[in-house]
Amino acid sequence: SAVISQKPSRDICQRGTSLTIQCQVDSQVTMMFWYRQQPGQSLTLIATANQGSEATYESGFVIDKFPISRPNLTFSTLTVSNMSPEDSSIYLCSVFSLRGNEQFFGPGTRLTVL
Amino acid sequence: GQQVMQIPQYQHVQEGEDFTTYCNSSTTLSNIQWYKQRPGGHPVFLIQLVKSGEVKKQKRLTFQFGEAKKNSSLHITATQTTDVGTYFCAGLTSGGSYIPTFGRGTSLIVHP
Repeated sequence: SAVISQKPSRDICQRGTSLTIQCQVDSQVTMMFWYRQQPGQSLTLIATANQGSEATYESGFVIDKFPISRPNLTFSTLTVSNMSPEDSSIYLCSVFSLRGNEQFFGPGTRLTVL
Repeated sequence: GQQVMQIPQYQHVQEGEDFTTYCNSSTTLSNIQWYKQRPGGHPVFLIQLVKSGEVKKQKRLTFQFGEAKKNSSLHITATQTTDVGTYFCAGLTSGGSYIPTFGRGTSLIVHP
């Protein structure tokens, strides 16, 4: 299994500002995934972060709004830029197991934008 | 794109009653996974089903994968308060993306 930590665990931010969320995995992984989970909703994939290349974004998500870094095989950051109240959500990072048959999730970052 | 529908959205039960959540895909799946998210927590993997008609059990939990590999169910027998949470299915399409698509989830509320 993989142990994933995220920072911060929660934050309250003003609209128009940006927040960078960090994700650290205890093992080297090729791909890391960033999800958004709005209150009472399912998990929506934002992007896939690959080490050494640009992130791949899902429909409805753009790099200018959600820039991602992946400097090495155990770490990634997601920035939520120019925030609005609609960005209030839980942001989760995730990795696949070595066999690829299950996903491990970080504890999440609960973001509130005022 | 692939859609995974999950019903019901919410289910209230008395402790000791059974509970079932259903997952349906618009396309044939290569596998389906189930996750549990406790209130305030993050999703935790429960199981993966791969074979047509597959049935797997984990104590009071029974997971089924349909013969056509387009639907799946999770059944909990004699619910307990520790079963409270949201149960998500996540389906992977044959020949499609390698990233599963999550259903909306079913929130289980168990009344003591």
